[in-house]
Amino acid sequence: EIVLTQSPGTLSLSPGERATLSCRASQSVSSSYLAWYQQKPGQAPRLLIYGASSRATGIPDRFSGSGSGTDFTLTISRLEPEDFAVYYCQQYGSSRYTFGQGTKLEIK
Amino acid sequence: QVQLVQSGAEVKKPGASVKVSCKASGYTFTGYYMHWVRQAPGQGLEWMGWINPNSGGTNYAQKFQGWVTMTRDTSISTAYMELSRLRSDDTAVYYCAREFRQYGMDVWGQGTTVTVSS
Repeated sequence: EIVLTQSPGTLSLSPGERATLSCRASQSVSSSYLAWYQQKPGQAPRLLIYGASSRATGIPDRFSGSGSGTDFTLTISRLEPEDFAVYYCQQYGSSRYTFGQGTKLEIK
Repeated sequence: QVQLVQSGAEVKKPGASVKVSCKASGYTFTGYYMHWVRQAPGQGLEWMGWINPNSGGTNYAQKFQGWVTMTRDTSISTAYMELSRLRSDDTAVYYCAREFRQYGMDVWGQGTTVTVSS
């Protein structure tokens, strides 16, 4: 089973700053099968990015994804107040899906 | 509009089973896989498996094999997840979510809280 490790565990930033979240896989992941989700307290997750770099419908362009192989990144170019949440990466491989443990993005 | 509506909260005793439903509307039910994902209190997301509503075929995470059953009723566009032999650490919010060809889980249900307590 592919293990996804996200870092940092918690990221403290201010609105307007740039956020860089990392997701590292224990073995190579096809870029087609790497997604990012945002989750706010009491809500279901929301798909942000699929295929490592494609934004889902309705996602603002301040969100971008990149990476390949074992290292993937979610970047939020200019943080808005509504962006403070928990972010998860997720992969599909060998007929199995796994999620990272999450990065909490909090207001500094 | 496209939505997934799940059944209400459940409280179960250890050793019992729970069956959660997920009713789809606004899209072709058989055109998307349906995943089940759970989240224990204060914890991250855990993938449980998927069902192909078209064929009924399933793919369960290794941890849940022999323990979870996913089914569907295409006549009412509803997917089901049944978890047996419940333990206290099965207390979690259970979500259904659709996916089209590994393009990400783009629509999620509102979640069903399952509490296992004696």
